[in-house]
Order: sequence, then structure tokens, then C-alpha cells
Amino acid sequence: QLQLQESGPGLVKPSETLSLTCTVSGGSISSHSYFWAWIRQPPGKGLEWIGSIYYSGTTYYNPSLRSRVTTSVDTSRNQFSLKLSSVTAADTAVYYCASQPYRRAARSLLYLDYWGQGTLVTVSS
Amino acid sequence: ETVLTQSPGTLSLSPGERATLSCRASQSVSSYYLAWYQHKVGQAPRLLIYGASTRATGIPDRFSGSGSGTDFTLTITRLEPEDFAVYYCQQYGSSPYSFGQGTKLEIK
Repeated sequence: QLQLQESGPGLVKPSETLSLTCTVSGGSISSHSYFWAWIRQPPGKGLEWIGSIYYSGTTYYNPSLRSRVTTSVDTSRNQFSLKLSSVTAADTAVYYCASQPYRRAARSLLYLDYWGQGTLVTVSS
Repeated sequence: ETVLTQSPGTLSLSPGERATLSCRASQSVSSYYLAWYQHKVGQAPRLLIYGASTRATGIPDRFSGSGSGTDFTLTITRLEPEDFAVYYCQQYGSSPYSFGQGTKLEIK
């Protein structure tokens, strides 16, 4: 089964760019059957989908974050990454990466079946 | 955007009892694209149910999902100690893929 692990700085200064990487094992990030997603959970709040990326580079983003989000895939390292620019304290959260099955015939992204453990990113000077 | 409202916010029950969790959508969820997750502190969320009623791999049959349109339910029969956690519903029928605010299932 797939295993995912987030990595990156735990502390980011306001106005700077948050950068995280998710390493996938147990399967290929180039699979045609999966999108790769980022989700976050601010302290004491619920889950928020940030965006999803396909191995080809096709992306879907939450409109609330679209202007600040960039995602990418590195097939040689079996990794995908998240960049969130101009961060503020409101971006403090546990960030998760997850695998998202893709039903190609219907062009539908589905549920989130495997998740990483999550990494806490704090925005503070 | 589809807003999901879960109720109750907190559910206090004892092991062995039955839990019924509700998830209501602000608009119809297409193709039964509704999932449920279990989340424990410090752990990765765990997929329980997808397609409104299909159990994910390895999920015990005491977990069941039902519903369609705008009203969905997660039922846990015969609660086990390890079932006490936060449960989220999520719709993936339309972007942005949204989550409910969660129901905390706590030991009474």
C-alpha cells in the first residue's frame, strides 16, 4: 500500500513562502490512477483541501488559496511539493499530503485514501 | 461551494453502544461522492467509507455509511474503545472538495 511522508520547515516567517515536500513510497507517483493532494488543518479547526496535482502537471486548487499556491511533481524522486506564498498567521496548520484516486473515464478525482502523518507549520516572526 | 454540516458536534457514548453521525450538504452531492474519515490526535486521517456506503480496505463491518443527495449518515454499531476519535465527512463531487467540521466521538 502507499505510504506518504511530509517534510519541510516547521517555522516560516510572515510574508515568506511555505515549502513542503511529500515523498511517496509503495507506488509510483507517475501512476495514471492517482492525483496527489495537499490538505491542511489549522489548530482547533477542521480540514481544508488545498489542491491536487497529477503526474503530468495538471492541477486543481481551492479557489480560496489559488492565488498563493503552487504545486509540482518530481517523478525522478517520487515526490510532490507545495509552495504557499505570502503566508500569515492564518496559514499556521498541520499540513497533510494524501493520495487521491482518479477515475479517468469520468475525469473525476475521488476520495483521499492514504495520508501522511502531517507536519505542523507555524507562521511566526 | 458545497458546505457540509455535521451533527452533533460532540457525541458522548459508552463502549458497546451504537453511534449515529450525520452529514448534511448545502447542495446535492453528485454520484454519491461522499467519504467518511476517522482522525485521532497525532495520526493520519483514516479513510473509512467512500461512495457514501462502501467500506475502505480493512475497515470493520461495524462501520457503515448510508444516504444520498444532501443527507448522509455514518453508523458505528457496538463501539470499541479504539473508535473514540473525530469523524469527518467529505464531498468529492464538485471542486473545491470540502469537509464537514467534524464530530467528536468521546467516551461517556
